[in-house]
Amino acid sequence: EPEVTQTPSHQVTQMGQEVILRCVPISNHLYFYWYRQILGQKVEFLVSFYNNEISEKSEIFDDQFSVERPDGSNFTLKIRSTKLEDSAMYFCASSGQGMNTEAFFGQGTRLTVV
Amino acid sequence: GESVGLHLPTLSVQEGDNSIINCAYSNSASDYFIWYKQESGKGPQFIIDIRSNMDKRQGQRVTVLLNKTVKHLSLQIAATQPGDSAVYFCAENMRSNTGKLIFGQGTTLQVKP
Repeated sequence: EPEVTQTPSHQVTQMGQEVILRCVPISNHLYFYWYRQILGQKVEFLVSFYNNEISEKSEIFDDQFSVERPDGSNFTLKIRSTKLEDSAMYFCASSGQGMNTEAFFGQGTRLTVV
Repeated sequence: GESVGLHLPTLSVQEGDNSIINCAYSNSASDYFIWYKQESGKGPQFIIDIRSNMDKRQGQRVTVLLNKTVKHLSLQIAATQPGDSAVYFCAENMRSNTGKLIFGQGTTLQVKP
């Protein structure tokens, strides 16, 4: 069964450092997403990406965040200068269509900023 | 504003019983809803979805009910098993062609043997 894969599973970084979280979406999907989940809280939308550009982003997704699809398979989330409050699980997801279709989630990357 | 909420943070049921997990959503423009299951340390796993032109949809051991009049969504799990223990989230898509999902707070389902 096709799945979304994320690496690394756990990333520890010092405050102020840049991190790149990596994702390989399901191969024939066209819509890609990043969500985050602070420990014990609900899953929050960060950004959606389609046709090589951001289609929607939340208030959380400020100038410190960026996404990229550097090749035909990877989808990355970069945080330029991490803050303590960026510590969370980051989930990548993909779907075949934008509207009214299920999104498949990866296992997540746990980001710990110290 | 945008919000999807769940009525109870924790639901404890006996193995073999039926479980009902509820969700209230606030945006009447939402037209697509999904239930996700999240086990500890894992990503959300799709369970079942429903579009706003339906009021009921059944899967294997699961049923989702949608009441648009009161903006209420529920997930029914028949013959609950220990493997059903997880956090359950409802999520809504508010007619966004980007596929953005708004998640509720989550209900922890505990299945007692």
